[in-house]
Amino acid sequence: SQTIHQWPATLVQPVGSPLSLECTVEGTSNPNLYWYRQAAGRGLQLLFYSVGIGQISSEVPQNLSASRPQDRQFILSSKKLLLSDSGFYLCAHQGEPGNTIYFGEGSWLTVV
Amino acid sequence: AQSVAQPEDQVNVAEGNPLTVKCTYSVSGNPYLFWYVQYPNRGLQFLLKYITGDNLVKGSYGFEAEFNKSQTSFHLKKPSALVSDSALYFCAVRDPNFNKFYFGSGTKLNVKP
Repeated sequence: SQTIHQWPATLVQPVGSPLSLECTVEGTSNPNLYWYRQAAGRGLQLLFYSVGIGQISSEVPQNLSASRPQDRQFILSSKKLLLSDSGFYLCAHQGEPGNTIYFGEGSWLTVV
Repeated sequence: AQSVAQPEDQVNVAEGNPLTVKCTYSVSGNPYLFWYVQYPNRGLQFLLKYITGDNLVKGSYGFEAEFNKSQTSFHLKKPSALVSDSALYFCAVRDPNFNKFYFGSGTKLNVKP
C-alpha cells in the first residue's frame, strides 16, 4: 500500500531563517506530488505540484520554492522566512489507480 | 478554470439526524469531484469521489454524495449523523488537463449529542 510521510510535524522558526520541509512517498513510482498550505484552519491553497523528478510547477508567486531530487521525495524550502509563511503545510500524492490524491499528516510552521 | 464552492461555513445537526454538506462546482468538461474530511491538526482523509457512472456515490464511514449535473452540485450526505462526524469537510475538483486539485473553503460540521 502507499504511504506518505511528512516531517517535521511542527516547526518554530525566526523571521529570516531558512526552511526545509520534506515529504516522501512509499509504495508507488513516479507519483504526482503536491504542496498545499492551509491558513487559519480553513481553505487549502495549492503551492506547487510535480509530475516527475526536477519538474516543478508553481501556482502562486511567493517566498517559497520546491524541489524534487528523487522520484518519491518532494521538498518545500525557503531561504528567508516571513511571518506570513506561518501555516499548516500539507504534502499530497496522486495514488494508484489514478484520480484521487492522498495527504500526509501535515507540518505546522510558526514563524516568530 | 475549475473551482468548487462550499456556501456554508458551518453546519449544525443533532446526533441521529440526517446531514447535508453542500458543494457546487464550476468546471469545463466532465467534472472529477471529491470529498475529504479533516480532523483537528491532521491531514485530509479521502471520503469519496465521482468520476463517472451512478450519480449517487457511496464512500467511507457511511457517507454518500449525489452528483447533480443540472444544478452543478455534489452535496455530501449521511442518513444518521454521529458526534464523531464532527470535523472540517472539503469538496474538491480535479483539473484533468493539468492533474491539479482545487479545494473549497471547507465546512465545519458540528454534531451535537
